[in-house]
Amino acid sequence: AQSVSQHNHHVILSEAASLELGCNYSYGGTVNLFWYVQYPGQHLQLLLKYFSGDPLVKGIKGFEAEFIKSKFSFNLRKPSVQWSDTAEYFCAVSSGSARQLTFGSGTQLTVLP
Amino acid sequence: DTGVSQNPRHKITKRGQNVTFRCDPISEHNRLYWYRQTLGQGPEFLTYFQNEAQLEKSRLLSDRFSAERPKGSFSTLEIQRTEQGDSAMYLCASSSLGSGNTIYFGEGSWLTVV
Repeated sequence: AQSVSQHNHHVILSEAASLELGCNYSYGGTVNLFWYVQYPGQHLQLLLKYFSGDPLVKGIKGFEAEFIKSKFSFNLRKPSVQWSDTAEYFCAVSSGSARQLTFGSGTQLTVLP
Repeated sequence: DTGVSQNPRHKITKRGQNVTFRCDPISEHNRLYWYRQTLGQGPEFLTYFQNEAQLEKSRLLSDRFSAERPKGSFSTLEIQRTEQGDSAMYLCASSSLGSGNTIYFGEGSWLTVV
């Protein structure tokens, strides 16, 4: 069974700081990888996804993520965070013929103005 | 709004009562999913439909839970004889081949069992 680990449960940054949120998954085959964001009081929204090709993917709002197959990782990055990035971030994976997503437990990001 | 729509958004019920949630997916999405999310956790997969066929069910979906998608459009999730442990956010999501299996989520239905 596949699993997803997000090691940072709560990250606090000041505006303009750089962000990197870790995500590791366990599955030996082909994977599709996703980052979702949940702003306070809102539904889960897709930030970015990786299916194949260039392992560095760019998403909305200046976010990017890098798939490193050898490390089973898909870390999320943003060079300069804003107060409006305060939200919960979820990494997710789907694999093989599975249609559903397996989510990590999420990372709460708080950006201080 | 053409996103995934869920109702009711909030439901408070007494233990032992039955509750039903409805999900209207994005138009023409043939895949529909139900997830459950509790505080401090990521969403957990419950079940998945392709058109009207329920193709996969998680072990989390006990016998008290039943989901239907009778015409391949909207879906319902019923919980019978609710227990306090059923308190959670129930999320519906949809996708299609055309969306590259990107799954789009609704705002969820909060269930509180008292």
